[in-house]
Amino acid sequence: NAGVTQTPKFRVLKTGQSMTLLCAQDMNHEYMYWYRQDPGMGLRLIHYSVGEGTTAKGEVPDGYNVSRLKKQNFLLGLESAAPSQTSVYFCASRPGTGEAGELFFGEGSRLTVL
Amino acid sequence: GQNIDQPTEMTATEGAIVQINCTYQTSGFNGLFWYQQHAGEAPTFLSYNVLDGLEEKGRFSSFLSRSKGYSYLLLKELQMKDSASYLCAVRDSNYQLIWGAGTKLIIKP
Repeated sequence: NAGVTQTPKFRVLKTGQSMTLLCAQDMNHEYMYWYRQDPGMGLRLIHYSVGEGTTAKGEVPDGYNVSRLKKQNFLLGLESAAPSQTSVYFCASRPGTGEAGELFFGEGSRLTVL
Repeated sequence: GQNIDQPTEMTATEGAIVQINCTYQTSGFNGLFWYQQHAGEAPTFLSYNVLDGLEEKGRFSSFLSRSKGYSYLLLKELQMKDSASYLCAVRDSNYQLIWGAGTKLIIKP
């Protein structure tokens, strides 16, 4: 009954450090997404994937990279963290079929860059 | 540009009814979603509208008018646990979701 799991839940980085956020889903979903959520703003799409081995840029991709080597995992990397990347990051997934296609979200990863 | 507007904050009384509005201007339309997000938690799906009209689901209902670029979420018999942010999102012609900033709903006893 895990659904979408994100690790780590919290992280503090120094400017210039690198890190990877891991998203894992056990629902056999085709589509996976990485969003960031900042106060007073809507969720903004960073990168997404429509299937294993595929990735695409979203609205705010700069400073981030992603990989989807396995269908169930979607990794978000920060190569050189900046204070502007302080945010709450949400991973989400959905099936490839179905009319509504609602998203299933992970619990979020709270990242602070000093 | 694409834009989703919803009130920043609303206050209502336990047991009452509240309507949260959402207006949108997007490149194409392929459905409108409402999500609930409790503080510090992930958004969870509430409703989906793709045709004009009212969709009812228990205490929650969602309405859509595509010609007006307008939707509302109606919450009846408010409970304290309904205190949360409510996010409106529209799926555009590229099947990408455009999100509003959310409406924080405060329920008072």
